[in-house]
Amino acid sequence: RKEVEQDPGPFNVPEGATVAFNCTYSNSASQSFFWYRQDCRKEPKLLMSVYSSGNEDGRFTAQLNRASQYISLLIRDSKLSDSATYLCVVTHSSASKIIFGSGTRLSIRP
Amino acid sequence: GAVVSQHPSWVICKSGTSVKIECRSLDFQATTMFWYRQFPKQSLMLMATSNEGSKATYEQGVEKDKFLINHASLTLSTLTVTSAHPEDSSFYICSADYRGFTDEQYFGPGTRLTVT
Repeated sequence: RKEVEQDPGPFNVPEGATVAFNCTYSNSASQSFFWYRQDCRKEPKLLMSVYSSGNEDGRFTAQLNRASQYISLLIRDSKLSDSATYLCVVTHSSASKIIFGSGTRLSIRP
Repeated sequence: GAVVSQHPSWVICKSGTSVKIECRSLDFQATTMFWYRQFPKQSLMLMATSNEGSKATYEQGVEKDKFLINHASLTLSTLTVTSAHPEDSSFYICSADYRGFTDEQYFGPGTRLTVT
């Protein structure tokens, strides 16, 4: 079993739709959680950190559930420019270990 | 925000030659840098953790004698692919551990290596 698992998708949704991704992690000692976005042939870019209290940034909402060991990302009112691969990232203690999920591909259609 | 650069951005080399890729943190010091490899339509795979002033820590299955890592200063780590083969063709990305208030990783723009 992979330490960080994501549904690879692809998710193909119409513009304006709401879409949600989940990511599960197996190591209960995981400390920090992030969502990154990666466009084709580009490096990943930090989208948002994920906290137990949840956090929201515009149309994006991230949640962490430590008890069930998963994090989620919700995108509301999706735009064409949201099309990308979304990577779930988990770090351990001193961040000496960084684990990437395999990514979820999202495609927004007009 | 924190900036990480990589050089070169792309390189084509012949089989058997060696290629050096540089990763620099431009506006902060990074005691730890990470090297990743990404094949088409796959996720990033951590190759090694580069620690300033000490030996790199390689992930299982990554040959340390083939992928030489040197982290000589707090702003520069290099990855040398020795005796490159076509199967080494990939997108190599570095990241640096920016220790502001978070454990965020800042990524370089990547180096696309093609071995002919």
